[in-house]
Amino acid sequence: DTEVTQTPKHLVMGMTNKKSLKCEQHMGHRAMYWYKQKAKKPPELMFVYSYEKLSINESVPSRFSPECPNSSLLNLHLHALQPEDSALYLCASSQQASGSHEQYFGPGTRLTVT
Amino acid sequence: AQSVTQLDSQVPVFEEAPVELRCNYSSSVSVYLFWYVQYPNQGLQLLLKYLSGSTLVKGINGFEAEFNKSQTSFHLRKPSVHISDTAEYFCAVSGRSGGYNKLIFGAGTRLAVHP
Repeated sequence: DTEVTQTPKHLVMGMTNKKSLKCEQHMGHRAMYWYKQKAKKPPELMFVYSYEKLSINESVPSRFSPECPNSSLLNLHLHALQPEDSALYLCASSQQASGSHEQYFGPGTRLTVT
Repeated sequence: AQSVTQLDSQVPVFEEAPVELRCNYSSSVSVYLFWYVQYPNQGLQLLLKYLSGSTLVKGINGFEAEFNKSQTSFHLRKPSVHISDTAEYFCAVSGRSGGYNKLIFGAGTRLAVHP
């Protein structure tokens, strides 16, 4: 099973709302990632978790708060977002965060901030 | 620092014709190279990867790529495309950041296959 699942598929939220994105993998991977992808652009790395610890934060605003409750789950908590945060949010996982391991991507959550 | 340049933002091609999507990278250290495909409203799917060894790499869906160290290129090819190959293709290099590898993507190439 090489599947990364993400919920919800679509999310519309107001600027004062609090919501969460969820990502799950059962491949035994120890590295998990959040990316943001705007239309017609490549994915941009936001966070990297390695062995459930935050390893890389690419200077992401604090209105995005990641959480890794266990080795299979990754959440992204959203609060007080701006319309420019509307994008496709992709989760990925890999065996390790170092070395040559390829990343497996989920289908993404399409977020619209109104 | 590593970077990736995809030389064509769009490549139109007729069905059953061959196609080449170009990718150049810059890196001062050994690299791991990847091609991903993204179909509309979907996530990214790995097509193929180069880690070491043979410079000709075969992937899924009939795609292959050739690693050329002297030209710092990793071009993607398919001898005969199908309508279903219409998608966005991303070349990526794995670069180190604080002991961890992160994917650095090119801007993407939109492959449009016409009947």
